[in-house]
Amino acid sequence: DIVMTQSPDSLAVSLGERATINCKSSQSVLYSSNNKNYVAWYQQKPGQPPKLLIYWASTRESGVPDRFSGSGSGTDFTLTVSSLQAEDVAVYYCHQYYSSPNTFGQGTKLEIK
Amino acid sequence: QVQLQQWGTRLLKPSETLSLTCAVFGGSLSDYYWSWIRQSPGKGLEWIGEINHSGSTNYNPSLKTRVTISLDTSRNQFSLKLYSVTAADTAVYFCARGGMWIQLNWFDPWGQGTLVTVSS
Repeated sequence: DIVMTQSPDSLAVSLGERATINCKSSQSVLYSSNNKNYVAWYQQKPGQPPKLLIYWASTRESGVPDRFSGSGSGTDFTLTVSSLQAEDVAVYYCHQYYSSPNTFGQGTKLEIK
Repeated sequence: QVQLQQWGTRLLKPSETLSLTCAVFGGSLSDYYWSWIRQSPGKGLEWIGEINHSGSTNYNPSLKTRVTISLDTSRNQFSLKLYSVTAADTAVYFCARGGMWIQLNWFDPWGQGTLVTVSS
């Protein structure tokens, strides 16, 4: 199984500041035939299911604010919130769908400083 | 807009069978893969398995011997059975839609989640 390791486990950022969450896969999730990275990012708020933010490592899902962006390739990926808003407080998860079984990172809790 | 609504047994004793169903509204089961995923404090998010519109299944090897996912196209629903449960199976269980015609894909949307507790 591919192991997804996120860092940090928790992060406190001031309103309006940048938040950066990292995710490292135990093997490359870049598929050479289409040059796509098989990584997605989700946001989960208490009592709710995860919500898709980003797929193909950097494609923003429709309706997701443009302050959320994804980057990276191969084994190292980043989710950035460019200007933290109060409604962004949540737990964020990365997910690899390069190979079965699908696996997720352990989550990063994002809070307001 | 596709929405998933799920229901099922919430309290089980060890060795019993967990049974959950997920109904698809605003869309069809056709052409997509449909998954079950669970979330527990100890193991985080864990993908259980998936089924496609023709009934072909793929399970997480860690649970494969105890899981069955099935389809009811007439009701636009799919279901999960997990046999011989233990306390380690206590978790919130989610249904989710995967890819169109492709097995490896992100999940969107998700059902609301069902907390299943296994306790004697």
